[in-house]
Amino acid sequence: DAGITQSPRHKVTETGTPVTLRCHQTENHRYMYWYRQDPGHGLRLIHYSYGVKDTDKGEVSDGYSVSRSKTEDFLLTLESATSSQTSVYFCAISERDIGFDIQYFGAGTRLSVL
Amino acid sequence: EDQVTQSPEALRLQEGESSSLNCSYTVSGLRGLFWYRQDPGKGPEFLFTLYSAGEEKEKERLKATLTKKESFLHITAPKPEDSATYLCAVGGSQGNLIFGKGTKLSVKP
Repeated sequence: DAGITQSPRHKVTETGTPVTLRCHQTENHRYMYWYRQDPGHGLRLIHYSYGVKDTDKGEVSDGYSVSRSKTEDFLLTLESATSSQTSVYFCAISERDIGFDIQYFGAGTRLSVL
Repeated sequence: EDQVTQSPEALRLQEGESSSLNCSYTVSGLRGLFWYRQDPGKGPEFLFTLYSAGEEKEKERLKATLTKKESFLHITAPKPEDSATYLCAVGGSQGNLIFGKGTKLSVKP
């Protein structure tokens, strides 16, 4: 998985609790992304980062926040989890210095909010 | 609005039966078209990227082609191990990938 580790791989939590998912890369790539994958929707961008402490919103960012304090780590936080956030979450990385670069994906985190 | 549509949603083939998967797109300035393979419980695995109409890429039994409106993923003499979901995506204005919903391919021996 291109030097990308997501943790945890599976999590079950209750509505209203905070949840943090971690993405760690060993490739020293500048760009990192969080996507969610749901049946009937395909993969959709939540947030992305273009450098340490530089982040921006994606298509489905409501209810999520992110942080990147080191090049290698990108955290996704659900401040107060809801059942609609039950999904599979994927982290991706790319070098993208010029033009549009290939994105490489981690193995995913399956989150269930009860 | 950037959009990607894949067809068919599901495809069942016999081993050795060649076929094609379609990816049609609308985008304001193509920044690349990407094909990924996804196995159950795993993340998408990069296969090909195409940047201009007429471009073709090949890898083993797979061949990807690109026109101004669509891309095809041709599978020649597929084997059961080719069974997976194939995802198509285009480069979006935020540097993200805009994904289609995928085609689930099953190849029976």
